[in-house]
Amino acid sequence: KQEVTQIPAALSVPEGENLVLNCSFTDSAIYNLQWFRQDPGKGLTSLLLIQSSQREQTSGRLNASLDKSSGRSILYIAASQPGDSATYLCAVYGSARQLTFGSGTQLTVLP
Amino acid sequence: DAGVIQSPRHEVTEMGQEVTLRCKPISGHDYLFWYRQTMMRGLELLIYFNNNVPIDDSGMPEDRFSAKMPNASFSTLKIQPSEPRDSAVYFCASSPSGRADTGELFFGEGSRLTVL
Repeated sequence: KQEVTQIPAALSVPEGENLVLNCSFTDSAIYNLQWFRQDPGKGLTSLLLIQSSQREQTSGRLNASLDKSSGRSILYIAASQPGDSATYLCAVYGSARQLTFGSGTQLTVLP
Repeated sequence: DAGVIQSPRHEVTEMGQEVTLRCKPISGHDYLFWYRQTMMRGLELLIYFNNNVPIDDSGMPEDRFSAKMPNASFSTLKIQPSEPRDSAVYFCASSPSGRADTGELFFGEGSRLTVL
């Protein structure tokens, strides 16, 4: 059974800092990996999707990398802003044709 | 586009009562998913439909839970009778054919259920 782990569970950084969120998964037989953002009381917004054949995806200040063989992904946020404060969820789409989510990293960017 | 619409946004009920959560998927999307989010277990898939037909309900926790999709624009998730451990945020998501095969889902804002 696929398991997804996110470290750290919570992170607080000053504005302007570059930061890294980690995601690991146990079954490397995945079709893709996604990073979502969840604001308090809101739904999930897809940020980046990396296909299994890709190594990374970039969108603005966000960059996500995927190392399928080691079962790891990193979300890099450059020049963080208070508006980046949210919970970031990693999810893998695997052979069971289901999205398996990690428990998330709660990010706070201090002004 | 209005996005996935869920109602109610918040529901507080007493143990033993019936709860019905509703979802309107994005027009043209033929896949619909119900997820549950709790602090302890994170986000879990409960059931998903394709063209109004339930495909995989293995995530439905108990017989107290049931889901229907009578037409392409409406789905319900029902809990009867409800219990305090059912307290969670329930998300509905939809996806068009092809994109569902890649796990690209569009989520509603969720229904927060509290069972006292």
